[in-house]
Amino acid sequence: EAGVAQSPRYKIIEKRQSVAFWCNPISGHATLYWYQQILGQGPKLLIQFQNNGVVDDSQLPKDRFSAERLKGVDSTLKIQPAKLEDSAVYLCASSLQSNEQYFGPGTRLTVT
Amino acid sequence: AQSVTQLDSQVPVFEEAPVELRCNYSSSVSVYLFWYVQYPNQGLQLLLKYLSGSTLVESINGFEAEFNKSQTSFHLRKPSVHISDTAEYFCAVSLTGKSTFGDGTTLTVKP
Repeated sequence: EAGVAQSPRYKIIEKRQSVAFWCNPISGHATLYWYQQILGQGPKLLIQFQNNGVVDDSQLPKDRFSAERLKGVDSTLKIQPAKLEDSAVYLCASSLQSNEQYFGPGTRLTVT
Repeated sequence: AQSVTQLDSQVPVFEEAPVELRCNYSSSVSVYLFWYVQYPNQGLQLLLKYLSGSTLVESINGFEAEFNKSQTSFHLRKPSVHISDTAEYFCAVSLTGKSTFGDGTTLTVKP
């Protein structure tokens, strides 16, 4: 089966610009996660969807980050406006059963 | 709340030597435990998991981890490492689908 797809793989933007990331989970996986992984740290959950509803967005900086999963399949994560500290790898993961997650390759964001 | 501490940020080891990557967790309730591996420029891949049953779990490439409830640990071990095992290893705990990750251990296998 196809894995979790993410695009773009790399993105370089200037601070105060906006950026969007896309994720297509494994077919049939109801749960979708977005993580932020800063260099030297483990992934930190930003938002968790169950189908097209938000389960947990407690660590999402809502003043600048937004995410949607309109049809319960693919998802987009947006940052507007970006700050230097947003430089990180953004990982998307999906799961069928709620505890075992399958990760995409990530999008490496550099904010200059 | 749950948390994960990986006690070693970097572990250098020679090829064919044994290795142990340490992971301690804290949680007020029972959780599921995972080890993930991340190769350069790739996403995380599940290495092994403990959900219930036998406290010793094994992966297909020779790694094993033992759940120790009294010590709240889930250390990862391999009796003989290969160059190809060089990667970042993350321990994670999960409860109701929400996972908390440690900050990772970089395993570097030297020839």
